[in-house]
Amino acid sequence: AQTVTQSQPEMSVQEAETVTLSCTYDTSENNYYLFWYKQPPSRQMILVIRQEAYKQQNATENRFSVNFQKAAKSFSLKISDSQLGDTAMYFCAFMEHTGNQFYFGTGTSLTVIP
Amino acid sequence: GAVVSQHPSWVICKSGTSVKIECRSLDFQATTMFWYRQFPKQSLMLMATSNEGSKATYEQGVEKDKFLINHASLTLSTLTVTSAHPEDSSFYICSATGGGAADTQYFGPGTRLTVL
Repeated sequence: AQTVTQSQPEMSVQEAETVTLSCTYDTSENNYYLFWYKQPPSRQMILVIRQEAYKQQNATENRFSVNFQKAAKSFSLKISDSQLGDTAMYFCAFMEHTGNQFYFGTGTSLTVIP
Repeated sequence: GAVVSQHPSWVICKSGTSVKIECRSLDFQATTMFWYRQFPKQSLMLMATSNEGSKATYEQGVEKDKFLINHASLTLSTLTVTSAHPEDSSFYICSATGGGAADTQYFGPGTRLTVL
């Protein structure tokens, strides 16, 4: 069974600083997708970044980047120049290449402090 | 692109009544839609997966007769909570994949259900 682990229930960061959220997963598959979703207080789930396992290059979206370590089954999210609007729950998710079901982590609540 | 809407955003109903929640993909054809339930400060719990034109696949422990799911078209899925009770009060979120977004789930804004 696939499992996704987020070991940091809560984190905080000063505005303009950098923070890294951790995520590990367990799978026997070789080809899959990994995602980070953000859920702000509005509760709308927003896709932050997506990584395909067969791509070695780490995905980047503006201030958001990932450190994808396939051998270690690790997929951390780095937020640079943190902004107040980054305050939200962040969920890591895994999907097999041949399937369409997501496996979510338990989430990390991030607070950006002004 | 890849916008998913839900209606209503908030509904309050009396115990014993049924409530229908709609999930629509606005700019793509959603071959698969998912329904989740989320309790406060918790992760999303998958309730069921539905493919257009076929019966939904329910997760273990989810009562299919209580949570009726219909995916009648490539842009619409509905979740009906039948004979709702206070313990059904929760936040329900749908998501969709399909077309150019086949390998990514795009989420609706969610529906807050309160059963009195």
